Amino acid sequence: DAGVIQSPRHEVTEMGQEVTLRCKPISGHNSLFWYRQTMMRGLELLIYFNNNVPIDDSGMPEDRFSAKMPNASFSTLKIQPSEPRDSAVYFCASSFVNEQYFGPGTRLTVT
Amino acid sequence: KNEVEQSPQNLTAQEGEFITINCSYSVGISALHWLQQHPGGGIVSLFMLSSGKKKHGRLIATINIQEKHSSLHITASHPRDSAVYICAVLIRDDKIIFGKGTRLHILP
Repeated sequence: DAGVIQSPRHEVTEMGQEVTLRCKPISGHNSLFWYRQTMMRGLELLIYFNNNVPIDDSGMPEDRFSAKMPNASFSTLKIQPSEPRDSAVYFCASSFVNEQYFGPGTRLTVT
Repeated sequence: KNEVEQSPQNLTAQEGEFITINCSYSVGISALHWLQQHPGGGIVSLFMLSSGKKKHGRLIATINIQEKHSSLHITASHPRDSAVYICAVLIRDDKIIFGKGTRLHILP
């Protein structure tokens, strides 16, 4: 298995634009997590899904952020409209039983 | 007070030294992860443990559930061990809380 796949790896956009981050979990894993990492706040859990259903989205910073998991092999994290303070590395991880496997991350820069 | 505290925040050591990184937590957990983040940004899960001790190569992780404390040890440290080490605890319903990380720098 190729591991957790994220795209794009880098994204630079202007504030106000819509940004969509993509994640393909490891086949067979039933949980998927979206994290954000910044220098100030470290790693933070944004939302996680179990069997494609959102379980806890309390970490989503505001309504500009939304996440979907239409099927077991794909998830998106969307920011609309984006703001400079959204600049961070966004990680996706998947798991089957507790142990999580991280994707390489998407480095987002909003100017 | 953070629910997961790591110490030290930064650590510089000479190659070959024995390294210990500590993690204390204040919540009930089902498991604890030790993660390694390399300078390039990639995150690797080193250990997941819920009791006792695990060993993988030069890395050893221990956890004391009663004391709510875990340690990560590196024996015979090497410059390639330079990374940020992150403690993360798994609480109910798969929720995970991260420590702030320990930045380790091993000098040749």
